[in-house]
Amino acid sequence: GENVEQHPSTLSVQEGDSAVIKCTYSDSASNYFPWYKQELGKRPQLIIDIRSNVGEKKDQRIAVTLNKTAKHFSLHITETQPEDSAVYFCAASIMGGANSKLTFGKGITLSVRP
Amino acid sequence: GAGVSQSPSNKVTEKGKDVELRCDPISGHTALYWYRQRLGQGLEFLIYFQGNSAPDKSGLPSDRFSAERTGESVSTLTIQRTQQEDSAVYLCASSLVSTGGYEQYFGPGTRLTVT
Repeated sequence: GENVEQHPSTLSVQEGDSAVIKCTYSDSASNYFPWYKQELGKRPQLIIDIRSNVGEKKDQRIAVTLNKTAKHFSLHITETQPEDSAVYFCAASIMGGANSKLTFGKGITLSVRP
Repeated sequence: GAGVSQSPSNKVTEKGKDVELRCDPISGHTALYWYRQRLGQGLEFLIYFQGNSAPDKSGLPSDRFSAERTGESVSTLTIQRTQQEDSAVYLCASSLVSTGGYEQYFGPGTRLTVT
């Protein structure tokens, strides 16, 4: 089955700097890659996703890039703010298959220092 | 509209007791998922419903775990003879369609503590 790994496990950046979080996946059939943000004690919420037919997607300060050949995708956050501090989970799944379950990475704790 | 809701929000139970966790998905969402999140860990897939049927139960840790869904709506996750290693937050998510590529909306979770 699919295996998703995230690295690093923690990341600390200065407010205003950029943060990059990387994930790798193992199943070449995976074609949908969402990123979820989970604030302390809150539920995970989707912040951006990408399908395998594109290599990059942007939404204001957030972007995701996908390298299908290398089987990795990355979340880029520019101009970080303290409210970006949270745990970020990447995930992978197969669209159109019998099961659209998400396989999650273990999460990265992002701390933005004021 | 209303999001995914779960009850109870917290449950403390003694080892060996049975527990039932409830999930109310967003109305009209055909796909429903259960995940488990241990402290400081990622989300671990348990089971997936398409309508009222469960095509994939592969994530259920043991036969002490079972789940059902009725009326293409409410789902119940049952853990029998709870063990301390069952302590975790159990998250439910629903999605508009079951073919993937659509946002999964998560509930607030049920924090289960087995003493």
